[in-house]
Amino acid sequence: QKEVEQDPGPLSVPEGAIVSLNCTYSNSAFQYFMWYRQYSRKGPELLMYTYSSGNKEDGRFTAQVDKSSKYISLFIRDSQPSDSATYLCAMSAGGTSYGKLTFGQGTILTVHP
Amino acid sequence: DAGITQSPRHKVTETGTPVTLRCHQTENHRYMYWYRQDPGHGLRLIHYSYGVKDTDKGEVSDGYSVSRSKTEDFLLTLESATSSQTSVYFCAISEFGQVVGEQFFGPGTRLTVL
Repeated sequence: QKEVEQDPGPLSVPEGAIVSLNCTYSNSAFQYFMWYRQYSRKGPELLMYTYSSGNKEDGRFTAQVDKSSKYISLFIRDSQPSDSATYLCAMSAGGTSYGKLTFGQGTILTVHP
Repeated sequence: DAGITQSPRHKVTETGTPVTLRCHQTENHRYMYWYRQDPGHGLRLIHYSYGVKDTDKGEVSDGYSVSRSKTEDFLLTLESATSSQTSVYFCAISEFGQVVGEQFFGPGTRLTVL
């Protein structure tokens, strides 16, 4: 069983839809939770970052972490064709594991006009 | 883009040959990483470096070695390439004191082993 599980999709939605992306994990030591976005044939880039449990909002994007359920989510409101990309969740325990990220498999999202 | 370049960007090689991939950064970041990306597996850490001549193994290090003789360069070597090492390889950098988990990625190297 992988430490981090992410539904690879693919996910196809119409423009303006609300998108929900999710990851579950098994390692209770994870404290830092990230969402990376990767456009086709490019390297990933950090989109959202959350420490411990709670919500974080940045424009149309909201990241949620529920450590009790070992479940994280990324919501995209009013999705745009430019949001079409692969979204990867990533996690870290920090501390002596600084820099060691564990990624999910990535979800391929297509937003069609 | 952060100042990270990877070379070569594409390579086709044959089974059994040695291959070296280069990552070069101009950001003077302390930490450097090598990942591979395969369908169904996301990104998996191969090796990382936390300073010049300081390296450690990641999740999928078998068959790979690394070297870092200068802050700006991190080399990944496949001693004897196998078809299972066909993948897209990404280099990343980060700096201690910045956001934990924030890494800056290079453009990737697409390696095919025939």
